[in-house]
Amino acid sequence: TQLLEQSPQFLSIQEGENLTVYCNSSSVFSSLQWYRQEPGEGPVLLVTVVTGGEVKKLKRLTFQFGDARKDSSLHITAAQTGDTGLYLCAGGNYGQNFVFGPGTRLSVLP
Amino acid sequence: NAGVTQTPKFQVLKTGQSMTLQCAQDMNHEYMSWYRQDPGMGLRLIHYSVGAGITDQGEVPNGYNVSRSTTEDFPLRLLSAAPSQTSVYFCASSPIDRGGNTIYFGEGSWLTVV
Repeated sequence: TQLLEQSPQFLSIQEGENLTVYCNSSSVFSSLQWYRQEPGEGPVLLVTVVTGGEVKKLKRLTFQFGDARKDSSLHITAAQTGDTGLYLCAGGNYGQNFVFGPGTRLSVLP
Repeated sequence: NAGVTQTPKFQVLKTGQSMTLQCAQDMNHEYMSWYRQDPGMGLRLIHYSVGAGITDQGEVPNGYNVSRSTTEDFPLRLLSAAPSQTSVYFCASSPIDRGGNTIYFGEGSWLTVV
């Protein structure tokens, strides 16, 4: 069974601070996705990374896929209150179902 | 811009009752799935389907049934509700290459079993 762990589980920071959250597994994935989920809604895809070592930027968010394709990180620069939410990582392999991590709940305080 | 539509949004059931959560998508996706989300446990796959007439079990299938008579619809049935099935349920769809494609989620159904 492929498992994904995420850390930290909870994170509360002030607006303007930087933060990094992590997604780790002992399994190799062909792709890794990050989703953000806001209260009362379903998760929404932020990014997909498919190449070991790949770095993708989405405005103030930087995503990195580990060289061995077992882990990933999400870095947010100058966090804003609108970044508040649950961040989920999901690992996938072709033809298989995605496996989701438990999520990091981020609270950005004004 | 419907995407994935789930109903009902909220439901309270008594132990032993049955009910069906409805899910419909208008993106012509072959792959559809149901997840449950519990605190600290992320999204766990209940059942999935790769096309009309084809369904399969996910990680936590016990107590749930599904059917896929059309590409658009994928209802989830709770046969005899138990308090352990209190959760938030999400229906999702994606193109068939689910290893790297975007998964589109519905807005969720909050189910409480008393």
